[in-house]
Amino acid sequence: QKEVEQNSGPLSVPEGAIASLNCTYSDRVSQSFFWYRQYSGKSPELIMSIYSNGDKEDGRFTAQLNKASQYVSLLIRDSQPSDSATYLCAVFNTDKLIFGTGTRLQVFP
Amino acid sequence: EAGVTQFPSHSVIEKGQTVTLRCDPISGHDNLYWYRRVMGKEIKFLLHFVKESKQDESGMPNNRFLAERTGGTYSTLKVQPAELEDSGVYFCASTRWQMNTEAFFGQGTRLTVV
Repeated sequence: QKEVEQNSGPLSVPEGAIASLNCTYSDRVSQSFFWYRQYSGKSPELIMSIYSNGDKEDGRFTAQLNKASQYVSLLIRDSQPSDSATYLCAVFNTDKLIFGTGTRLQVFP
Repeated sequence: EAGVTQFPSHSVIEKGQTVTLRCDPISGHDNLYWYRRVMGKEIKFLLHFVKESKQDESGMPNNRFLAERTGGTYSTLKVQPAELEDSGVYFCASTRWQMNTEAFFGQGTRLTVV
């Protein structure tokens, strides 16, 4: 079992819709969770961090964490074509980030 | 403030050759990390420096890989001799504190071994 699992996609949503990206992790003691966005050929860019159960909102982005289910999600409201990218879920473990393979999101006009 | 800089952006070398990748972290960031993404796989941890000391090198694939961080500033990752399976994108990241806070990534070096 991989430490961090994501559906590779692509996830295709129309412009203006809500995109829902999901991630599960295997290490129950993990405490810090991150979503990175990566455009093709560019560096991963942190868009959300979440440390406690529940929802955390930042603009059009909402991260959700459920430690009991070992589940993290990212909602993108009012999706825009510029949101088309690969979204990486990452879990902090001991002293490093463990990444999932990423979900490719496509927002079509 | 300059971001994390990596050089070169692309490198194509023949199997058996040596390649050295360089990373310049954000000034003042004591923590420097190397990661690698092989095609189709997740980004995987290679090693972690705190200043000039190797904190964790558990992700280094084998002894063909050598990382250094002279004086706690820039870091180099040397692959000698390179093999085909070393192809991938090598990312460097730096943080002021531990990586459970915001980590800044460089744009990566795409290494192709032919």
